[in-house]
Order: sequence, then C-alpha cells, then structure tokens
Amino acid sequence: QVQLVQSGAEVKKPGSSVKVSCKASEDTFRRYPISWVRQAPGQGLEWMGKIIPILGIVNDAQEVQGRVTIIADKSTSTVYMELSSLRSEDTAVYYCARNQPPYDAAFDVWGQGTTVIVSA
Amino acid sequence: EIVLTQSPGTLSLSPGERATLSCRASQSVPSSYLAWYQQKPGQAPRLLIYGASSRATGIPDRFSGSGSGTDFTLTISRLEPEDFAVYYCQLYDSSPPWWTFGQGTTLEI
Repeated sequence: QVQLVQSGAEVKKPGSSVKVSCKASEDTFRRYPISWVRQAPGQGLEWMGKIIPILGIVNDAQEVQGRVTIIADKSTSTVYMELSSLRSEDTAVYYCARNQPPYDAAFDVWGQGTTVIVSA
Repeated sequence: EIVLTQSPGTLSLSPGERATLSCRASQSVPSSYLAWYQQKPGQAPRLLIYGASSRATGIPDRFSGSGSGTDFTLTISRLEPEDFAVYYCQLYDSSPPWWTFGQGTTLEI
C-alpha cells in the first residue's frame, strides 16, 4: 500500500527552524519525486519544493527559497523538509505528496499532514 | 507567472444536483498539466482529475473534467452528501519546475 507517513506536530519560536519528516515506501522513494505543499489556516495550498529522492535533486519555490532545505535519506526512505528563520506566517499544515508520473504534474498520494505553529 | 482563478468562490447546491466548477488560467496551458483536488476539513487533498480529464484511481464516474487552453471545468453530475468540500485546481509549469493552485471553490449544501 502506498503511504507517506509524516512526523508529528511542532510548536516553534519565531526565528527558529523546523524539520518535518515524510517516510515513504521503498518503491515510492526509489521511483517517484516527492513534493512539499503547505496550507496556512483557512487558506489555500502552496507548493514549496520537490526532490527526486534517489538522486537528491531539488527544486524549490521562490517564496521560500533560501529558507527551505529538502533532503532524502536513502537508508530509511525518508524525505525531510527543514524551514529556517520561522515567522508567524509559516504557521501551517505541511504536507508531503508524491508527484504522479509521467509528467510529475499532479500529486497522487499525500501524507497526513504536519501542523507547525510558530508563536512567541 | 501563470495565475489560476477559480469560480465561483462558493457554490450552494443540494444532493442530486449538478455542480460545475470553473478554473481559468492567465495564459494558455497544456491540458496534461492541469489537475483537480477535493479537500475535506482536517484531511489532506485528494486527487480527483489529472491531465484535465482523466479520473484518478478510485474516483467515481460522477466526477469529470474538461477544458483546454485557459478554461477548465470540473463537473459533478449528481451530488452526493460526501461531495460537499473544497475543490482546488492545480497547474504544473515546466520551466522552471513550479506548481501552483487556484484559490479554491467551496461546495456547500
């Protein structure tokens, strides 16, 4: 069964960093890109970045460029998204999602979401 | 930067009725790169339609997608109680690789 299982909720101070994990099945990790999408409370969806886990190749969105780091751990089939210099506007639910072949254009499997709250 | 605009913002209908949701792109886009999602409160989005008109695995045939160029439509032929949710369209732009979503349409009873 295809699954993406994310780490638990986090509460962080402004200016700090948060690291969210997304554990994939070995097949998904080896064959598919994985993206990160976030959703602020009551708002829409925002793509943050994508990684090809087996190659470690990353694309990230201009809005978070310079603050987001996406890496993949081959030994555990886990993808990580770290966001630094947190501000209140980063309060959101963060999702990992699998890019669907052949164009990687859509997201066909989603993690359950990780709530990140940034508050002093 | 291509912008997706969804309309209406909120659609109020009853079970059994037909729902028509619109997604307009600010410039012409490849149909292959347009998708639709359903999201219910407290849940992750669920892929409904990819490539503008192909249903994702397990999606009932009352959901259909159409359109090309700048105008795309999601149609739900006969609304079931579980269809009341927020719907997003989404576009992939290949150069540079970038994904964007519409602002969403709330389908309410």
